[in-house]
Amino acid sequence: EDQVTQSPEALRLQEGESSSLNCSYTVSGLRGLFWYRQDPGKGPEFLFTLYSAGEEKEKERLKATLTKKESFLHITAPKPEDSATYLCAVQVTDSWGKLQFGAGTQVVVTP
Amino acid sequence: DAMVIQNPRYQVTQFGKPVTLSCSQTLNHNVMYWYQQKSSQAPKLLFHYYDKDFNNEADTPDNFQSRRPNTSFCFLDIRSPGLGDAAMYLCATSRDIVGGLVHTQYFGPGTRLTVL
Repeated sequence: EDQVTQSPEALRLQEGESSSLNCSYTVSGLRGLFWYRQDPGKGPEFLFTLYSAGEEKEKERLKATLTKKESFLHITAPKPEDSATYLCAVQVTDSWGKLQFGAGTQVVVTP
Repeated sequence: DAMVIQNPRYQVTQFGKPVTLSCSQTLNHNVMYWYQQKSSQAPKLLFHYYDKDFNNEADTPDNFQSRRPNTSFCFLDIRSPGLGDAAMYLCATSRDIVGGLVHTQYFGPGTRLTVL
């Protein structure tokens, strides 16, 4: 059975304190891995899509990487506005395009 | 800006009283999705439309129905809401999913449903 697990569940950072979030997956075949940011009471906002092991993408203070078993979302020198829940989702090769989400990592960045 | 719009943002209904949530999109995507998300949980797919072709997830209760009158609009009907249906309901859209291509799903802001 396909599984997506995110860790840690919650992360509290000081402003400027870099850290990484983990998304590990066990799937029959990966078509794509997605990262979303979700603010409280809002819908997920698309950040990145990664397709193959070794791929990296960056946006401002965020950098996403992908291996054959997991993805990392690195947050460099975070600011309070980076506080959000970060969701990872995978799309597998034998599905029509359905996303399987992890439960998310809630990040709080304090000044 | 092209976007996914959901109305209302907050909906309060009474136990057993039917409710309809709406979603519209200006992205001209042919696939639309409805998700249910409860507090601190991952979004759970209820169903999706590929054009007018309706696809129900196996574990979606019969209490949930959907309509898509045209490309731009999609509705979620909850026929007899129970207390357990209180959640955030998210609409998403994507481009064509045929051919094994990866297409990003774009989400609306959600509708928070409260059942009294």
